[in-house]
Amino acid sequence: GQQVMQIPQYQHVQEGEDFTTYCNSSTTLSNIQWYKQRPGGHPVFLIQLVKSGEVKKQKRLTFQFGEAKKNSSLHITATQTTDVGTYFCAGAEYGNKLVFGAGTILRVKS
Amino acid sequence: DGGITQSPKYLFRKEGQNVTLSCEQNLNHDAMYWYRQDPGQGLRLIYYSQIVNDFQKGDIAEGYSVSREKKESFPLTVTSAQKNPTAFYLCASSFFTGDEQYFGPGTRLTVT
Repeated sequence: GQQVMQIPQYQHVQEGEDFTTYCNSSTTLSNIQWYKQRPGGHPVFLIQLVKSGEVKKQKRLTFQFGEAKKNSSLHITATQTTDVGTYFCAGAEYGNKLVFGAGTILRVKS
Repeated sequence: DGGITQSPKYLFRKEGQNVTLSCEQNLNHDAMYWYRQDPGQGLRLIYYSQIVNDFQKGDIAEGYSVSREKKESFPLTVTSAQKNPTAFYLCASSFFTGDEQYFGPGTRLTVT
């Protein structure tokens, strides 16, 4: 079945440093989504990418969808303490349900 | 105020007892989901429902049961057959499978 791998599992950065998490699917996706879960909270939808090679930005966050629609990345520029949490990617094959990656836990040292 | 609610926030049970977790949404979503999350881990799909009166097993359905008698409600029963039930349980909903999911605040279940 479809699998979504996400790396790294954990990253600890100094405030102000950049951060990137990567997501790879075993199959071609119709769309990929990113979610953020703050410590003690629940996942919250951030963004959806649907087009091959698509790049979207939300302030300091940049999301990319690969040309083959099998991989994606989330890049945070100049991390802040408010960025801490777990970032999940989730991909859906055409007509199928979302499959979540294992998540990347981000910790930021101030 | 639209959203998805779960109750209770914290739940404590003795081993051997069945327990039902509530999930209600007023977003008019057709699809609903149950996930289990263990400390520092990702989301594992227990059951999902694409439409009323229909549901499918996810990756870890053993020891759990669900019903979908109403569009708004998707309760999850954790049975005594579930070997390690202590976890954080998250309910989510979406317009259709593959669409963005809205999560409830979760229920932390502790079984001793």
